[in-house]
Amino acid sequence: DIQLTQSPSFLSASVGDRVTITCRASQGISSYLAWYQQKPGKAPKLLIYAASTLQSGVPSRFSGSGSGTEFTLTISSLQPEDFATYYCQQLNSYPLYTFGQGTKLEIK
Amino acid sequence: QVQLQESGPGLVKPSQTLSLTCTVSGGSISSGGYYWSWIRQHPGKGLEWIGYIYYSGSTYYNPSLKSRVTISVDTSKNQFSLKLSSVTAADTAVYYCARGIDLWGQGTMVTVSS
Repeated sequence: DIQLTQSPSFLSASVGDRVTITCRASQGISSYLAWYQQKPGKAPKLLIYAASTLQSGVPSRFSGSGSGTEFTLTISSLQPEDFATYYCQQLNSYPLYTFGQGTKLEIK
Repeated sequence: QVQLQESGPGLVKPSQTLSLTCTVSGGSISSGGYYWSWIRQHPGKGLEWIGYIYYSGSTYYNPSLKSRVTISVDTSKNQFSLKLSSVTAADTAVYYCARGIDLWGQGTMVTVSS
């Protein structure tokens, strides 16, 4: 099975900061990676798919990059509504589409 | 606008079968070539992929749950369902249904307790 490791697991930042979350795969997954945002009590929301394609309606301050085994999610200027938990998911290893363990982004 | 809604008992006794249904509204479950998934999230924990089904009926399950999981589709009702047998307290979680990766239901909490 392909394992995804996100770093950091917790991140404290301020409004206006630029933040980057990393997702590393235990083996190459090409660009078959998605990023989600989850707020307490809510379902995850798709932000980015195919590693770098922004889902419709998602603000352009979110961006994704990477391929193979290393991927990043960047928020260029944190807004108050961005404080949440972020997950990556690989979609390469059919049929088990595993998730990373999550990164909780908190207000400093 | 397509929406997904989970339904089913919120409390299941140990050793029994957990049964949930996801109703798709605003679009046909048979169109678009999507796969329809179940994902769960243990309290305070991360996301676990349970499995998915294509509209054709082909199913794919997480190997760690495969012996206990059945996912089925009822195109006439525009629904798909999850059955998880022989549940224990470790199956207590919020269960989500989803279309592909882009559309999720709101989730339903299921507690396994006597």
